[in-house]
Amino acid sequence: DGGITQSPKYLFRKEGQNVTLSCEQNLNHDAMYWYRQDPGQGLRLIYYSQIVNDFQKGDIAEGYSVSREKKESFPLTVTSAQKNPTAFYLCASSMSGGGTDTQYFGPGTRLTVL
Amino acid sequence: AQSVAQPEDQVNVAEGNPLTVKCTYSVSGNPYLFWYVQYPNRGLQFLLKYITGDNLVKGSYGFEAEFNKSQTSFHLKKPSALVSDSALYFCAVSPVGDDKIIFGKGTRLHILP
Repeated sequence: DGGITQSPKYLFRKEGQNVTLSCEQNLNHDAMYWYRQDPGQGLRLIYYSQIVNDFQKGDIAEGYSVSREKKESFPLTVTSAQKNPTAFYLCASSMSGGGTDTQYFGPGTRLTVL
Repeated sequence: AQSVAQPEDQVNVAEGNPLTVKCTYSVSGNPYLFWYVQYPNRGLQFLLKYITGDNLVKGSYGFEAEFNKSQTSFHLKKPSALVSDSALYFCAVSPVGDDKIIFGKGTRLHILP
């Protein structure tokens, strides 16, 4: 987990609220990613960014938004449009975003909707 | 569709015995292949990857994996299992020319003392 921090570790949201998950890296990596993990489903890509001020939708982007204003930061907002947001959220980074790059993961944020 | 499969949800192995966690893939062209491990309530940790060259790849914590192109497999192996190897293991594939990684659903490995 070294080099990538996620906060908070646990997050509780009431229905209808937007919440923002923080992801910061000090690895000087260009690319950053957000994944959602549900039991038995592996990791699914939400959004990714290969350069500052640019990002692309992944496989399950609906109900989520991101920004990439700084190289080291890639916050994820879970909006009220996301109907089933309870999950474990993982942020990752890699050197350049190429397919051969190893992705390094943060410790995760567990989001629970009350 | 490009995909990666881990056919076993759970694998149980006695401590000291060899272990194998299976992974097969379906992608066009030559893939890049990865194994990651996840301990409870933690992020994923990189174990090893195959890019090109020798089909046998050695990684962290004594793990190794063998790329088999004819069987489209990339099974993870370790000669002698430790109780501390108990965790969730993910196989992942990145098709050549793609900048994304596709993860399998994971295999839970239980090492029995």
